[in-house]
Amino acid sequence: AQSVSQHNHHVILSEAASLELGCNYSYGGTVNLFWYVQYPGQHLQLLLKYFSGDPLVKGIKGFEAEFIKSKFSFNLRKPSVQWSDTAEYFCAVRDTGRRALTFGSGTRLQVQP
Amino acid sequence: EAQVTQNPRYLITVTGKKLTVTCSQNMNHEYMSWYRQDPGLGLRQIYYSMNVEVTDKGDVPEGYKVSRKEKRNFPLILESPSPNQTSLYFCASSSRVSSSYEQYFGPGTRLTVT
Repeated sequence: AQSVSQHNHHVILSEAASLELGCNYSYGGTVNLFWYVQYPGQHLQLLLKYFSGDPLVKGIKGFEAEFIKSKFSFNLRKPSVQWSDTAEYFCAVRDTGRRALTFGSGTRLQVQP
Repeated sequence: EAQVTQNPRYLITVTGKKLTVTCSQNMNHEYMSWYRQDPGLGLRQIYYSMNVEVTDKGDVPEGYKVSRKEKRNFPLILESPSPNQTSLYFCASSSRVSSSYEQYFGPGTRLTVT
């Protein structure tokens, strides 16, 4: 079965620091990759997605992610975080044979002013 | 406004008392799904539906039932809730004809079973 690993469970950064959240998945076939964000008390919102083409994808709010097929990774980055980025971030993978998403366990990001 | 709605948003109940959490979407999406979110485990899929009258088990279906009689609605039924079903539940939908497969999530239902 597909599995998704997010190794950073809780990250604390100061404003303006750079962010990189790791995501690794297990499936060796063709996949679609997503990052979702969940702000406190809110539902999940899509940050960005990768389907094909340029492995560096840009999302909303200055986030970007890089798909490295050889490493089965899809790490999320942001050059300079803001206090408003405090949220929980979920990586999700869909193998193209299924509709369902497999989610990682999430990374809680806390940005200190 | 395109959205997925869930009701109730918060529910406290007792063991064994049947309950239903409703989910409705206004985007004419064929695909709908239920997830539960637990600390340290992320979101796990309970059941999904590819279209009306077509449902299938996800990764953690035990103790849950669903039905899909109409395209817009996908209720989650707990026939005999137990404390281990205390969780945050999300409904999601997406379009089968869309190449993006982006899932739209509802606001969540926080369920506590005592």
